[in-house]
Amino acid sequence: GAGVSQSPSNKVTEKGKDVELRCDPISGHTALYWYRQSLGQGLEFLIYFQGNSAPDKSGLPSDRFSAERTGGSVSTLTIQRTQQEDSAVYLCASEKTVSGETQYFGPGTRLLVL
Amino acid sequence: AQSVAQPEDQVNVAEGNPLTVKCTYSVSGNPYLFWYVQYPNRGLQFLLKYITGDNLVKGSYGFEAEFNKSQTSFHLKKPSALVSDSALYFCAVRPLTGFQKLVFGTGTRLLVSP
Repeated sequence: GAGVSQSPSNKVTEKGKDVELRCDPISGHTALYWYRQSLGQGLEFLIYFQGNSAPDKSGLPSDRFSAERTGGSVSTLTIQRTQQEDSAVYLCASEKTVSGETQYFGPGTRLLVL
Repeated sequence: AQSVAQPEDQVNVAEGNPLTVKCTYSVSGNPYLFWYVQYPNRGLQFLLKYITGDNLVKGSYGFEAEFNKSQTSFHLKKPSALVSDSALYFCAVRPLTGFQKLVFGTGTRLLVSP
C-alpha cells in the first residue's frame, strides 16, 4: 500500500516568510508525528497527534511553529516568519496505534531558509 | 529522561565482512527499541524492533540486533556486509508506557568498501 507522503519535497524560502509543510499519513493510522532533522540537533521530536486527543506540542521550538491535523488524516506544519536556523529536513511519521507499533516515515521536506 | 547513544560517528567495513553498529540506551522501565536506516535524500526506513521475547531480533535486508538488558545495549549486526548497505543508521527508543515519541541517537554512518 501507499506509504507516508510529504509535500513539497524541497522548499526554498526567504527569511521572514511563512511556509506550510504537508503530510499524508498511511490510511488507517491514528497517530501522526512530526520530527526535524538538522545538522546541529540530530533528529528531534516536534509534535504528536493521536486520534481526537489534544496534540502534544512539547517539542515545538518556538511559537512560530504550529501544526494541525484535519479530519484525523492530513497534517500541516506551519512555520511563521522563518529564520535561517529553521533550515532542516522535516519528517512526518504515522503509526497504526500507540501501543508499541512501528512509526513509518515519509521522505521528508527539505527546507532552506535564505 | 530517555536517551540513546551511538558512540561511533562512522563505521568502515569491507564487503563480505561482518558489521556491527553500536547502540546503548537509557530509559525508565522496559523499552521498545528500533533501528532505522536512511539513504541519501530519503526518509527513515524501518529495519527492526525489539518489543519483548527473544533477545535476538531479525529484520529487513539480513540485519539483526541483540537486546542486552544488563548492558542496556541494542547493537545492530549483519554477518556479511554489502556495498549497498552504506547509509546512515539510527537507533531509537521509546518507553513501554506513557508518551510514544521516539528518541533517536545521533546516527552512525556505515561505509562498506568493495
